[in-house]
Amino acid sequence: AQSVAQPEDQVNVAEGNPLTVKCTYSVSGNPYLFWYVQYPNRGLQFLLKYITGDNLVKGSYGFEAEFNKSQTSFHLKKPSALVSDSALYFCAVSLPDKLIFGTGTRLQVFP
Amino acid sequence: NAGVTQTPKFQVLKTGQSMTLQCAQDMNHNSMYWYRQDPGMGLRLIYYSASEGTTDKGEVPNGYNVSRLNKREFSLRLESAAPSQTSVYFCASSEDTGYGYTFGSGTRLTVV
Repeated sequence: AQSVAQPEDQVNVAEGNPLTVKCTYSVSGNPYLFWYVQYPNRGLQFLLKYITGDNLVKGSYGFEAEFNKSQTSFHLKKPSALVSDSALYFCAVSLPDKLIFGTGTRLQVFP
Repeated sequence: NAGVTQTPKFQVLKTGQSMTLQCAQDMNHNSMYWYRQDPGMGLRLIYYSASEGTTDKGEVPNGYNVSRLNKREFSLRLESAAPSQTSVYFCASSEDTGYGYTFGSGTRLTVV
């Protein structure tokens, strides 16, 4: 079955430290890959996507993601975390007619 | 502002009552989707409409019906609400899945 996995329910990091939120997928072919962020009581907002080309993709708010085809991973990264980055993050993978989402990772950045 | 508009934002229903969640987009997108979000389960697709005039079941369609009224509007109906349908419901639209989705702000539904 085609799926997206986010192995960590929560990631805790101190402000100013680098952060990584992990995502792996099991989808045939060469899907497009996405990261979305959800702030409390809000809808999901697009952060970045990978289609093809450079394995390091840059997105909104200083986030970037690294695509690794051999490991079928698409990890979200940021060099220096901010308290305001605290939110729920979703990885998603495109199928021909819809996206499938991971279960989400809550990022908590402590001052 | 362009985007996806969902109504209502909050709703409390009694078991067995019916209601319709409304969704409209003004971006001329072909495809529209309904998801539910539950703690620890992420987003699960209920129904989607790849284009005007078509609808398809997603991962969790039982207990729901949909109508793609026109290109702009895609409604979700609960015929006989159950406590298991307590959730946050999101509507989304896309021009093509390769472009990703634009999401509405959600409807928080509680069934008592």
